[in-house]
Amino acid sequence: DIVMTQSPDSLAVSLGERATISCKSSQSVLYNSDNKNYLAWYQQKPGQPPKVLLYWASTRESGVPDRFSGSGSGTDFTLTISNLQPEDVAVYYCQQYYSSQGLTFGGGTKVEIK
Amino acid sequence: QLQLQESGPGLVKPAETLSLTCTVSIGSINNFIYYWGWMRQPPGEGLEWIASISHTGRTYYNPSLKGRVSISGDTSDTQFSLTLTSVNAADTAVYYCVGLVGVVFDYWGQGIFVTVSS
Repeated sequence: DIVMTQSPDSLAVSLGERATISCKSSQSVLYNSDNKNYLAWYQQKPGQPPKVLLYWASTRESGVPDRFSGSGSGTDFTLTISNLQPEDVAVYYCQQYYSSQGLTFGGGTKVEIK
Repeated sequence: QLQLQESGPGLVKPAETLSLTCTVSIGSINNFIYYWGWMRQPPGEGLEWIASISHTGRTYYNPSLKGRVSISGDTSDTQFSLTLTSVNAADTAVYYCVGLVGVVFDYWGQGIFVTVSS
């Protein structure tokens, strides 16, 4: 299995400020044949199912605000929420889909308003 | 708009078998959907992928559950199912059925909470 490790477990950010979440994989999720990172980010608000924010590490899903951005390659990735809004309070998960034999998620990062 | 809805028992006894069904709201599950699957989330914990099935019927299972789990779907129908045998308290979770239309599992049901308890 590819183990995904997120940090921090939680963070509190002031409205309008930036939140940064790290995700590290135990092995590279960069597929050499297409040069794509098989890494997605999900947002889960209380009482709701998760929602896809980004895939291919940095491609925003349709309708996702551009204050959400992803970066990184190989084994180290970052989700950045710029200009944090009240509706961004949620738990964020990274997920690798490099191996269809074993999709795995990070442990989650809870984002709150300071 | 694709919609998914889980159904099944909310309470299962230890050592028994959990069976869940996902009903899809748009046509045959073979239309537009490349993969179907199940995820779960224990109370207060993170997400775990359980199993997936492709539109060709190929199945994939979480190695930690392999041997206890089975996913099935009839591509001419509008439902697919999950079976988990020999359940225990650690299987208590919200179970989500999911669909992959784009690149990742971009459609999720609202989830069904299943408690394993005698």
